Amino acid sequence: GENVEQHPSTLSVQEGDSAVIKCTYSDSASNYFPWYKQELGKRPQLIIDIRSNVGEKKDQRIAVTLNKTAKHFSLHITETQPEDSAVYFCAATPRGSSASKIIFGSGTRLSIRP
Amino acid sequence: DGGITQSPKYLFRKEGQNVTLSCEQNLNHDAMYWYRQDPGQGLRLIYYSQIVNDFQKGDIAEGYSVSREKKESFPLTVTSAQKNPTAFYLCASSIPGGDTQYFGPGTRLTVL
Repeated sequence: GENVEQHPSTLSVQEGDSAVIKCTYSDSASNYFPWYKQELGKRPQLIIDIRSNVGEKKDQRIAVTLNKTAKHFSLHITETQPEDSAVYFCAATPRGSSASKIIFGSGTRLSIRP
Repeated sequence: DGGITQSPKYLFRKEGQNVTLSCEQNLNHDAMYWYRQDPGQGLRLIYYSQIVNDFQKGDIAEGYSVSREKKESFPLTVTSAQKNPTAFYLCASSIPGGDTQYFGPGTRLTVL
């Protein structure tokens, strides 16, 4: 079945440095790739998403890149700040999923060192 | 996502009891979902519904039941058949034909 793998499971970076989280997906027909941020005890919140007809998308310090050929996509956070500390989930929506069923990765716990 | 509410925030259950978790949305979304999240883990789909009076099993439906009598509401019942129900439960919804899911604040269920 569909599968989304996410790496690394934990990531620690110095404040001000960049962080990169990578995901691969198995269903080549997937066409929508959201990223969610979840703070401790809170709900996941959508931070950025990308569709299969786009290779890159930026929103201030956050960017997502998509390589359809290799079936992987990545989240880039630049100039990291303490409030970026959270768990980040990537996800993929298989094409033809009438209920917009989303397959989530296992999550990356990002810690920003002061 | 401010239009999705879940109650209660915390719920304690004795073994052998059924409990029902509430999820309400005023976003006019057709599709609604229930996920389970265990500590340090990802999200696993329990049930989802595309339209009123219709729902489908997700990846871990055993021991759970749902109903969708109203567009705004998608309650989840955790039955006594669910052997390890202690977890964080998240409800989500999405627009018709849309992909982005918006989450409620969650219910933390603990079995005593």
